[in-house]
Amino acid sequence: DGGITQSPKYLFRKEGQNVTLSCEQNLNHDAMYWYRQDPGQGLRLIYYSQIVNDFQKGDIAEGYSVSREKKESFPLTVTSAQKNPTAFYLCASSLIQGTAEAFFGQGTRLTVV
Amino acid sequence: RKEVEQDPGPFNVPEGATVAFNCTYSNSASQSFFWYRQDCRKEPKLLMSVYSSGNEDGRFTAQLNRASQYISLLIRDSKLSDSATYLCVVKMDSSYKLIFGSGTRLLVRP
Repeated sequence: DGGITQSPKYLFRKEGQNVTLSCEQNLNHDAMYWYRQDPGQGLRLIYYSQIVNDFQKGDIAEGYSVSREKKESFPLTVTSAQKNPTAFYLCASSLIQGTAEAFFGQGTRLTVV
Repeated sequence: RKEVEQDPGPFNVPEGATVAFNCTYSNSASQSFFWYRQDCRKEPKLLMSVYSSGNEDGRFTAQLNRASQYISLLIRDSKLSDSATYLCVVKMDSSYKLIFGSGTRLLVRP
């Protein structure tokens, strides 16, 4: 089955700890994206990548880091510098053609206590 | 000004009603447009792409007005199951950046 997988679904961490969220896709998509969603809000772009070993900051990159060492994988690290990390994190992937839709993983709910 | 703007709603309509949402975008270089649907605490899923000539999929019609920089979604004969948040999405072809609006919430009542 082709798709995009995020893990874990729920994650609890203590304040001040770094945490890495996993995102893997087997759709052979070049572009991958990370979004953050707060309750009742829209999706805000954190980072995106068009190709292996290259990525760009989105609108709210501060306190986050990513890597793109493989086409299939785009992990997101939430660092201790992120002041309010509790949120719903969504990963997406897409072909790079303009009209291609994006597919989402099921998301990771991160709670920092 | 936000790059993609939507009326947050909620739009509260009876079953069978017709409802329309608009979405405006600020970057005239935007090339591709989509409507996604998001159910509570779930990931967004594609509802339909928006083509320059407009397109229809059953009860749903999407239109694009490049001159005025807005897209629209029309839902006819609303069903209870249409209750969700509808997200407008703009894709920049040069950078492949995907920008989401904040969503419009629809509530369809019996």
